[in-house]
Amino acid sequence: GESVGLHLPTLSVQEGDNSIINCAYSNSASDYFIWYKQESGKGPQFIIDIRSNMDKRQGQRVTVLLNKTVKHLSLQIAATQPGDSAVYFCAEILQTGANNLFFGTGTRLTVIP
Amino acid sequence: DAGITQSPRHKVTETGTPVTLRCHQTENHRYMYWYRQDPGHGLRLIHYSYGVKDTDKGEVSDGYSVSRSKTEDFLLTLESATSSQTSVYFCATGTPSRRSNQPQHFGDGTRLSIL
Repeated sequence: GESVGLHLPTLSVQEGDNSIINCAYSNSASDYFIWYKQESGKGPQFIIDIRSNMDKRQGQRVTVLLNKTVKHLSLQIAATQPGDSAVYFCAEILQTGANNLFFGTGTRLTVIP
Repeated sequence: DAGITQSPRHKVTETGTPVTLRCHQTENHRYMYWYRQDPGHGLRLIHYSYGVKDTDKGEVSDGYSVSRSKTEDFLLTLESATSSQTSVYFCATGTPSRRSNQPQHFGDGTRLSIL
């Protein structure tokens, strides 16, 4: 997952700009990745997932890119809106299984109106 | 989201007391999970269930037990609460799919403070 620390990495973007949130994962054997969004006082919300046999997947206004060579995952949000302000987590899965999901510590995205 | 209700939403209790957190879902999802969330850590899995009366341990299961007597309810119990168990607890549900059995729907959390 992402670097662990007492303070979340932060990203501030202007409304309407594109956002890129990065995540470095640790295990080269991880074969499935998920991005979650967590708003203040709420539980995480599933955004998009990607398998290791893919390098790109697109959803509505979001794109996930996977670079297995450098063990890097990114989430791109197009035309960022104030409602996108939240903490974003990547999670990696070593192999399919209910107890093998490991979360990063997250990045706090702030959208400036 | 996905009909997940956690109760209570907030609780303050003392060290050594038993605490039970409840998760109720209305979506008939097979898998249910309990996570804790702490500053500086990602969400960490405590226990999960893959069916009624079928449960297994997660990464940080020490000091916790769970029960699932009905599809819709998953209980997390701290038999004797300690201050290190002060945290925000999230319940999640999921259904088996071609991709995975991973949690896709989370409740809004229970904030537990142990003094």
